[in-house]
Amino acid sequence: SFELTQPPSVSVSPGQTAKITCSGDTLPNQNAYWYQQRPGQAPILVIYKDVERPSGIPERFSGSTSGTGVSLTINTVQAEDEADYYCQSIDTTGTWVFGGGTRLTV
Amino acid sequence: EVHLLESGGSLVRPGGSLRLSCETSGFTFSSYEMNWVRQAPGRGLEWVSYITSSSRTTLYSASVKGRFTISRDNAKNSLFLQMESLRPEDTAFYYCARVSPLAPFDKWGQGTLVTVSS
Repeated sequence: SFELTQPPSVSVSPGQTAKITCSGDTLPNQNAYWYQQRPGQAPILVIYKDVERPSGIPERFSGSTSGTGVSLTINTVQAEDEADYYCQSIDTTGTWVFGGGTRLTV
Repeated sequence: EVHLLESGGSLVRPGGSLRLSCETSGFTFSSYEMNWVRQAPGRGLEWVSYITSSSRTTLYSASVKGRFTISRDNAKNSLFLQMESLRPEDTAFYYCARVSPLAPFDKWGQGTLVTVSS
């Protein structure tokens, strides 16, 4: 089965840079997406198609690709960025899949 | 502004049924494909079901196929999820999410909680 692997947790101090990775065998051939979910809230899209940022998402959020993985980088992390982050992609059968999520602690 | 509002979640016994609704506004609902996603308390996100704008095509995850049915009413800007033969492992927050050219889940509702327990 197709899986996306993320670290369970990442911890940074305010003002530092946070990088969250996501690996999966088909990621080099499929677009990846990133969602932020603050405690008690619904997810919101923060990165689409690997590296694009939707309108309204701060410029400190960026996406990148390398090898069999993708990454979400948050520069100059703020307290409000503390949340769970999920990567997401699609497998060859057309099934959408999510990574297990990464808890970012600021 | 795009709004999605789920409703219909409640406590139901194993083997029971439930129908979830997702009312939408702020966009031309009939032009968009839609998804249902669920999240067990304290757990990650799981895609559940998908429907095209015309309802011609529906897809389901293996865990719900044969028990859940997705549908929509474009005249009422609403999405539905009929859930049958519910199991304790179906306990989760259920979110409706819009598909767009940007992403398969570009806008989300706030979710509705389904609890399956005796």
